[in-house]
Amino acid sequence: QSALTQPASVSGSPGQSITISCTGTSSDVGNYNIVSWYQQHPGKVPKLLIYEVVKRPSGVSNRFSGSKSGNTASLTISGLQAEDEADYFCCSYVGSNTFVFGTGTNVAVL
Amino acid sequence: EVQLVESGGGLVQPGGSLRLSCAASGFTFRSSWMHWVRQAPGKGLVWVSRMNSDGTNTGYADSVKGRFTISRDNAKDTLFLQMNSLTAEDTAVYHCATGDYGSANYWGQGTLVTVSS
Repeated sequence: QSALTQPASVSGSPGQSITISCTGTSSDVGNYNIVSWYQQHPGKVPKLLIYEVVKRPSGVSNRFSGSKSGNTASLTISGLQAEDEADYFCCSYVGSNTFVFGTGTNVAVL
Repeated sequence: EVQLVESGGGLVQPGGSLRLSCAASGFTFRSSWMHWVRQAPGKGLVWVSRMNSDGTNTGYADSVKGRFTISRDNAKDTLFLQMNSLTAEDTAVYHCATGDYGSANYWGQGTLVTVSS
């Protein structure tokens, strides 16, 4: 259960699109379509943005979208806004009722 | 409104034990899979454990397997985490969380566990 690999930081200007990668292995990300993404602002609890790789919960902006290719999942934030400045975490099912989170990515809006 | 309220955290010496509770309300607890997730101060999220709705299926992170035990009381809408043989590396805020499809869309505010002599 090694943590999934995410870039430590990603930045962009308002209105731009950014993509955060989440790299695992053929035993986790590559083997299951059970990848979720969370946004966490300082001092707050995580908020679910994406589940089952591409699905958005009700109420989550359509500026957030998910995808997967092979062992890497990705979260794209389009039309970047100041309020998107936060930490982002991916999470994948690993089998046998176990999960693993990513290392986390800090998004800065320049 | 869904509410998850953790309790039972505190300061414990290395090698000690602690039992966390998570009181649930606002949803059908007995039908819900439940997670424990922890976050050390200034660090990332770490998945700890998950239990299915009737308590017959559990999973643990390798880092806690054999030391932590997840359980639930569906009659009292409460989730538990028994933590034994604690080390400094277990120091974190522990959140309970629930959701569908292997995700967690409801989270409690968490309870802080500090392992120190």
